[in-house]
Amino acid sequence: EIQMTQSPSSLSASVGDRVTITCRASEKISTYLNWYQWKPGKGPNLLVYAASHLQSGVPSRFSGSGYGTEFTLTIANLQPEDFATYFCQQSFKTWTFGQGTKVEV
Amino acid sequence: VQVVESGGGVVQPGGSLRLSCAASGFSVTSTNMRWVRQAPGKGLELISLIYSGGATKYPDSVKGRFTISRDSSKNTVYLQMNSLRADDTAIYYCARDACSLLTGQDYCYMDVWGKGTTVTVSS
Repeated sequence: EIQMTQSPSSLSASVGDRVTITCRASEKISTYLNWYQWKPGKGPNLLVYAASHLQSGVPSRFSGSGYGTEFTLTIANLQPEDFATYFCQQSFKTWTFGQGTKVEV
Repeated sequence: VQVVESGGGVVQPGGSLRLSCAASGFSVTSTNMRWVRQAPGKGLELISLIYSGGATKYPDSVKGRFTISRDSSKNTVYLQMNSLRADDTAIYYCARDACSLLTGQDYCYMDVWGKGTTVTVSS
C-alpha cells in the first residue's frame, strides 16, 4: 500500500496569507495525485486532480504541483471560506489518502 | 448531479446496518462508486468500491463484514454492514469516480460526494 504523508498536520494562517501544504508518497506515483477540501457537515470537495489540474468551479487561488513523490497544494490569498481540512489522495495504485492538514485561523 | 446518503444511526456492537446512496443526474452503473468513511479525529478511509461492471473491492479492515451493491432501477448504491465494531464509528460518505484523459492516460478521482451519514457503534 502506498503511504501518503502530509505536512504539516495543522497550520495557523490569516486571511490574505499564502499557504502551502505538502504531500509525500512512499513510492513514485507520477502525477496520480488529487487534492480535496473538507469542512464539517459537508462531503469532501475535489480541488485538484492529476497533481496540477484545477477542478471546474474551483477558484484560481488554488493550485497544485509536483511529480513522483512530492506534491504541494498552494492557496494564494487565503479567504475566510478556505479554513478547512485538506487531504491528498493517490490514484496510482489502490487509492489511499493522506492524513489531512487542518488550516486554522 | 448529486448523491445523498441515508441509513446511519446508533447500533450495538455485533449489529448490522444498511446504508443507501441515492444518485441523481447520472447512472450508478455508468461509473465506479465508492464508500469512504471518516472516524472521529481521523482521516479518510476508502472502504468499498463497486466497478461499473459490477465487481467489488474492499480493504482488509471491512472485508467479510461489509458488502457494497447497487440497484439500477432505484439508481442507488448500498453498503450492508454486519458484525459492526466500535471502530466502525464514523461518518460514511458515498462518492462517484470520474476520470480525465490527459496525455493519453486516464487520471481518476472522486468528483461527486454526499454530505455523509453518521454511524455510531456503541452499547
